[in-house]
Amino acid sequence: AQKVTQAQTEISVVEKEDVTLDCVYETRDTTYYLFWYKQPPSGELVFLIRRNSFDEQNEISGRYSWNFQKSTSSFNFTITASQVVDSAVYFCALSESHGSSNTGKLIFGQGTTLQVKP
Amino acid sequence: ETGVTQTPRHLVMGMTNKKSLKCEQHLGHNAMYWYKQSAKKPLELMFVYNFKEQTENNSVPSRFSPECPNSSHLFLHLHTLQPEDSALYLCASSQEGPVSGNTIYFGEGSWLTVV
Repeated sequence: AQKVTQAQTEISVVEKEDVTLDCVYETRDTTYYLFWYKQPPSGELVFLIRRNSFDEQNEISGRYSWNFQKSTSSFNFTITASQVVDSAVYFCALSESHGSSNTGKLIFGQGTTLQVKP
Repeated sequence: ETGVTQTPRHLVMGMTNKKSLKCEQHLGHNAMYWYKQSAKKPLELMFVYNFKEQTENNSVPSRFSPECPNSSHLFLHLHTLQPEDSALYLCASSQEGPVSGNTIYFGEGSWLTVV
């Protein structure tokens, strides 16, 4: 079965600290996609990144970086020099596929609530 | 500014009421989705529409009735809901149909409270 686990329910840091959000996934597919979304208090899920299973290069976008490790089935997200505006719930998700009948259904983790204090 | 807009943002309704949630996407996408987000539960996919045709109903009770008149608009009609249906309802869209790897873009959600 496909599954996404975000073991950290809540994280609290002080502004300017670095913070890493963990994501571990399970899948039997050889081709799959991983996503991160941010959900601020307003409710909207904001797309942050998509990564396919064949691309293991780490990615950096400003203060955000992602570490994809296929060997450990992890796709961790690091925020460098955190800011108060980073406070939100962050979701990791896996795009499901079942061979010829792939549905593209997103399987979400439970989310990690990040609180950045001034 | 989000490419997927939802109205109303907040809705309080009684269990005997009939109301509707509306979603409009301005991204030129062909697929639209309804997701439900309850407290302490993972996001749940409810319905998928691809080119106006419903392609997935994730065992959703009939008191939730979706409607997709075109690729840009999606409605969720609500009738005789229960208090446990109180949740954040998120609309989303994607360029292509629901295939693996398709990036799904979400709206701001409609906060529904059933009293």
